[in-house]
Amino acid sequence: LAKTTQPISMDSYEGQEVNITCSHNNIATNDYITWYQQFPSQGPRFIIQGYKTKVTNEVASLFIPADRKSSTLSLPRVSLSDTAVYYCLAHGGNNRKLIWGLGTSLAVNP
Amino acid sequence: DGGITQSPKYLFRKEGQNVTLSCEQNLNHDAMYWYRQDPGQGLRLIYYSQIVNDFQKGDIAEGYSVSREKKESFPLTVTSAQKNPTAFYLCASSMKLTNTEAFFGQGTRLTVV
Repeated sequence: LAKTTQPISMDSYEGQEVNITCSHNNIATNDYITWYQQFPSQGPRFIIQGYKTKVTNEVASLFIPADRKSSTLSLPRVSLSDTAVYYCLAHGGNNRKLIWGLGTSLAVNP
Repeated sequence: DGGITQSPKYLFRKEGQNVTLSCEQNLNHDAMYWYRQDPGQGLRLIYYSQIVNDFQKGDIAEGYSVSREKKESFPLTVTSAQKNPTAFYLCASSMKLTNTEAFFGQGTRLTVV
């Protein structure tokens, strides 16, 4: 099972780009990297998923280098409403085997 | 709107009582899950179901029970055997167990008084 490691917390300011890096040294060949966002007292929300190189959607970008031992979630021009916990998960096609860590608590300041 | 609904949002239970948490989805998903979230810990899987009339224990199933009589519904019962039931409970669903995108409900915060 692929365990992921990410910073416990990060601080940023409105309008800045935020990059959250996740390490997954023992990622398996068929694992995808998936990121979720969670606000206090709410369920997590899917943000983005990728396998390699770069994926972009309307919310974020995900960069995965060729060795796939790490990945970076990039949030462009954050606002106060982006203050949340962000979870990085390595997913091998079986939700039963997901390992949810503590996530990264992002605080966006005015 | 399609989604997954948990009720109630807050629940108080006396020690020794069983309590049932509701989870309903109208996304036509086959797989459903129950997680528990405690402060300072990640989500932990209690039970999951791949399809109607089938469910399996997750990592922390002791003191909990579930049923999956309808595709849309996956209620969780917290029994008196659960020694530390106060927690935030999250229900989720995905098209299949293998799909990487899961949809979560808003959660139920259970407090034992």
